[in-house]
Amino acid sequence: AQKVTQAQTEISVVEKEDVTLDCVYETRDTTYYLFWYKQPPSGELVFLIRRNSFDEQNEISGRYSWNFQKSTSSFNFTITASQVVDSAVYFCALRGRYSSASKIIFGSGTRLSIRP
Amino acid sequence: DVKVTQSSRYLVKRTGEKVFLECVQDMDHENMFWYRQDPGLGLRLIYFSYDVKMKEKGDIPEGYSVSREKKERFSLILESASTNQTSMYLCASSAGGSSYEQYFGPGTRLTVT
Repeated sequence: AQKVTQAQTEISVVEKEDVTLDCVYETRDTTYYLFWYKQPPSGELVFLIRRNSFDEQNEISGRYSWNFQKSTSSFNFTITASQVVDSAVYFCALRGRYSSASKIIFGSGTRLSIRP
Repeated sequence: DVKVTQSSRYLVKRTGEKVFLECVQDMDHENMFWYRQDPGLGLRLIYFSYDVKMKEKGDIPEGYSVSREKKERFSLILESASTNQTSMYLCASSAGGSSYEQYFGPGTRLTVT
């Protein structure tokens, strides 16, 4: 069975602080794909990143960075120098390589609030 | 940029009405999806389509049907709306294959009274 756990239901930090959103996954597939999505108050889920299981290189995009560690089955997301516009619900998701395209497993989401 | 549009942002319908939610994508994606999102329940897949006229039930298909007559358009139909179908409905599309990310529309907040 596949599972994605986002243990942090809500996080609140002051603007300019760094914040890390945790994502732990379970899968028996040897090849799989991990995703992060952002859902701002407007409601639309916005795709942020895809990571293939065979590529453990960490990724940085501006103030966003992702730390993929196969040994601990984690794919954590860090926002550096957070801004109010980062306030949103963030979802981590998983799909196995041989799963149907419909079998993407979403975590329950972490609601991030950035206070000015 | 991928664009997924949904016919309405907000919709209010009466119990028993037939409701159509339309979704259009402009990236020639093979796959299209309908989800509903409820507080505490996360995202739940209602139906999935992997090709024109092809569909697959998701986790919660009861009370819903879908139609995909053209590649770019995927419709969700509530045959007889009920109050427990009040929810946020999200449409998504993706290219074929399991590695591809889904792109979501802005969502339709449906209220059934």
